[in-house]
Amino acid sequence: NAGVTQTPKFQVLKTGQSMTLQCAQDMNHNSMYWYRQDPGMGLRLIYYSASEGTTDKGEVPNGYNVSRLNKREFSLRLESAAPSQTSVYFCASSDGSTVDYGYTFGSGTRLTVV
Amino acid sequence: AQSVTQLDSQVPVFEEAPVELRCNYSSSVSVYLFWYVQYPNQGLQLLLKYLSGSTLVKGINGFEAEFNKSQTSFHLRKPSVHISDTAEYFCAVAGYSSASKIIFGSGTRLSIRP
Repeated sequence: NAGVTQTPKFQVLKTGQSMTLQCAQDMNHNSMYWYRQDPGMGLRLIYYSASEGTTDKGEVPNGYNVSRLNKREFSLRLESAAPSQTSVYFCASSDGSTVDYGYTFGSGTRLTVV
Repeated sequence: AQSVTQLDSQVPVFEEAPVELRCNYSSSVSVYLFWYVQYPNQGLQLLLKYLSGSTLVKGINGFEAEFNKSQTSFHLRKPSVHISDTAEYFCAVAGYSSASKIIFGSGTRLSIRP
C-alpha cells in the first residue's frame, strides 16, 4: 500500500548540473502533478499530466521538463539547476475524473542547489 | 480562476486550548474546499473536504471546518489541541469543472506550547 513514491528524498546539486526526480503511484490514478513548496508561498504547480501521454504547464514551469513514462510514473527533470530551484518538490496523483477526491501526495524531495 | 488566502502564517496555541485557522477563497464559480495537513518532513494529507450539503464538515483528528458562502470562508477549528497537532495546515480550493486543479494557500504553521 505504497501510494505515491518519490525518489530521491534528498539531493544536493551544483549550479548547472542536471537531475531527474522520480515519482510513481500504485493507485491506478489517471492524473499526476509536480509541485514545489517554498516558505511562505505554499505549493505551486510546476507541471501536470491529466492522463497518460499528456502533459501541461502549471504556474511555474520555467527550468523544468516532465515525462509521463506510463500510467504509473511521472518524472521531473532539471536540465541546468539554478539556486532558485532550491525547494521541496512534491509529486501528487488523483483519479482525474473528478477533483472532489483530492490529491494523494508523496513524501517529497528536498533539493538544494549550491 | 480560484484563489485562496490564509490569513495567518503562524498560530501559537497552548496545549488543550481551542484553535481556529482562517481561510478565505475567491471564485466566480461553485467550489470544492479542502484542508490538508503536513507534519514535519512529510507530504500533505487530506484532513477534510467540503463538496456540498451540510456546511459543517468533520475531518480526522477532531478537526472540523465550516463553509460560509456569504463570507467566502472555510475556517478550520479544533476545540482542544494536542502536541501532536503541531504541523502546517493548507487550505485549498478547486472549481466544479473536471478539468480543475486544486489551488493551495500559503499555509499556516500551528505550534502547540505545553
